[in-house]
Amino acid sequence: EAQVTQNPRYLITVTGKKLTVTCSQNMNHEYMSWYRQDPGLGLRQIYYSMNVEVTDKGDVPEGYKVSRKEKRNFPLILESPSPNQTSLYFCASSLIFGGTENFGPGTRLTVT
Amino acid sequence: AQKVTQAQTEISVVEKEDVTLDCVYETRDTTYYLFWYKQPPSGELVFLIRRNSFDEQNEISGRYSWNFQKSTSSFNFTITASQVVDSAVYFCALSEANMNYGGSQGNLIFGKGTKLSVKP
Repeated sequence: EAQVTQNPRYLITVTGKKLTVTCSQNMNHEYMSWYRQDPGLGLRQIYYSMNVEVTDKGDVPEGYKVSRKEKRNFPLILESPSPNQTSLYFCASSLIFGGTENFGPGTRLTVT
Repeated sequence: AQKVTQAQTEISVVEKEDVTLDCVYETRDTTYYLFWYKQPPSGELVFLIRRNSFDEQNEISGRYSWNFQKSTSSFNFTITASQVVDSAVYFCALSEANMNYGGSQGNLIFGKGTKLSVKP
């Protein structure tokens, strides 16, 4: 089944403890991206990647890192999480950007 | 700077009514892409449509239709004969084009969404 998977789906952590949210797609898509969704703010793009080793900042990249060493994986790294990074995070992929975007199920992160 | 405005925060209709969700965008680019996404109460995000700035033809897909008007920078979404299953938050989004990749540049800007409630 073609899909985008994210892990973990739920995470509660403490300020400053490094964490990684994984994202994987099995569709051989070139384009992948990360978004955060907050009440009243909608979805905001964090980082995106046009292909392996090609990444770029979205609108809210501060406090996040990404890497794209393989086409299928696009992990989101929070080196030192803070409470303002408490949010719902979505990973997405598409064959090329502008095609049908497939979204992962979301990761709800709480930083205390 | 790019911007997407969905002025309607919440809309409530009764089943079988038609409803239009407004989307107004701002961009300095002449080539760009517009999108609509649906987020039902279960939380997943569903892609509905992508439209490039050169294609102003209206699109119809079943009960869904989209009206793209460059003159007013609008990309409105109409649901005909709404159903309870249409209840969701709907997002409009905008991206610049990147000719090297033959598609959007990658920086996708979302509106804040319109919550549609369809009551039986």
